[in-house]
Amino acid sequence: QVQLVQSGSELKKPGASVKVSCKASGYTFTSYAMNWVRQAPGQGLEWMGWINTNTGNPTYAQGFTGRFVFSLDTSVSTAYLQISSLKAEDTAVYYCATNVVPAALYAFDIWGQGTMVTVSS
Amino acid sequence: DIQMTQSPSTLSASVGDRVTITCRASQSISSWLAWYQQKPGKAPKLLIYKASSLESGVPSRFSGSGSGTEFTLTISSLQPDDFATYYCQQYNSYSLFTFGPGTKVDIK
Repeated sequence: QVQLVQSGSELKKPGASVKVSCKASGYTFTSYAMNWVRQAPGQGLEWMGWINTNTGNPTYAQGFTGRFVFSLDTSVSTAYLQISSLKAEDTAVYYCATNVVPAALYAFDIWGQGTMVTVSS
Repeated sequence: DIQMTQSPSTLSASVGDRVTITCRASQSISSWLAWYQQKPGKAPKLLIYKASSLESGVPSRFSGSGSGTEFTLTISSLQPDDFATYYCQQYNSYSLFTFGPGTKVDIK
């Protein structure tokens, strides 16, 4: 079945980097864009941006430029989110999400299970 | 950028109640509005896309309506499994995607 499986929880110190993976299965990875969504503890959902899985071209939402990098390894149908110079306020659950049903345009019908990133000294 | 608001922020209701959540956009987004349900510790689940289209597998007690700047999500008869937080999400070609702040539906 169509699914996105993310890497496990991470505990990092301030200033470190983290790389979260999102492995797709059950569909053609390069046919659908991959989005990233952040959810801080007890807070709502924030769209971070998306990456064109065909060209590798990323688009970042306001507030997610500079320290955030989206990348791909199409040979293993995996998208990555790397965050550098981690701060306490980066503590959040990070989700990958995509849309594989053409009718549901501009909505995210498939989500990863989420990856908790905790930044603490 | 387009801003999204939701009302109410919290809603207390009983099983069997009809529940309506409103989502407003700061400018017209046509019908590019989706609704999600999220339970604690879980990923969001798509309920409605294009303002009023029911996602496959979602119970028919959920419905969406609206266009332009005002949208509603209605649960016709609230079930125990429906206690959760609901988010709207818009798409536009400039700022792309934005989520609303969420509405928590809890037990009265």
